[in-house]
Amino acid sequence: NAGVTQTPKFRVLKTGQSMTLLCAQDMNHEYMYWYRQDPGMGLRLIHYSVGEGTTAKGEVPDGYNVSRLKKQNFLLGLESAAPSQTSVYFCASRTAEQYFGPGTRLTVT
Amino acid sequence: GDSVTQMEGPVTLSEEAFLTINCTYTATGYPSLFWYVQYPGEGLQLLLKATKADDKGSNKGFEATYRKETTSFHLEKGSVQVSDSAVYFCALSVRVSSGGSNYKLTFGKGTLLTVNP
Repeated sequence: NAGVTQTPKFRVLKTGQSMTLLCAQDMNHEYMYWYRQDPGMGLRLIHYSVGEGTTAKGEVPDGYNVSRLKKQNFLLGLESAAPSQTSVYFCASRTAEQYFGPGTRLTVT
Repeated sequence: GDSVTQMEGPVTLSEEAFLTINCTYTATGYPSLFWYVQYPGEGLQLLLKATKADDKGSNKGFEATYRKETTSFHLEKGSVQVSDSAVYFCALSVRVSSGGSNYKLTFGKGTLLTVNP
C-alpha cells in the first residue's frame, strides 16, 4: 500500500512550456485534491475531484487544468507555464481524513 | 469567508520546553479542526483533529482543544523534542457542495518550529 504518490519529484520548466503532474492513490478514495504551497501562504486548493470523470475548481484554478479519467489517478496540467507557477504542488486523497503525497517541486524560469 | 490565522513563526525552543502554537478561525457553520505537521522534504501528515466544540484532539504528546467560544484550536506540547522540528499547519474543513459530503481544507500559513538540543 503506497498511499499517495506523485511524479515527478522535481522539475524545471522554461516559461511557456507545458507539463503534466501525476498523482496516484491506491486506497480506492473517491475524493482527490491538488494544492500549491508557497512561502507564507499555506496551502491553497487548485482543483479537486469527487470521483472518476469529475473535476471542479478550487481557490486558484487559473493556468491549470485537471483530469480524472481513472479513479486512482488525478492529473494536473500546465499548458503554458509562468514564473508565478513556481511552487511546491501537493496531491491529496481522502475518506474521513486527507492523505497527502510527498510533493512536486516545480521551478519555472 | 472561512479562514485560519495561526501565529507567525519561526518558533525556536530548547529541548523539553513547553510549546504553544496559537490558531484561531472564522467559519460558517460548525467546522472540524485539524493540525497537520510537515517534516522537511515531506508531505503533510495529520497530527490531530477535533470535530465538535470542547473536543480535545491528542497524538504523540500534542494536544489541542476545540474552543467554540473563542474560535480557537491552540496546539500544545508539554516537552518538545528535537524530532518535533517541523512546520505545523492549523486547518479547518468546510463543506464545498451543499447536500454532498465533500469537504475542502482551509489552511493557516504554517508555523516553523525548530527545537535545539
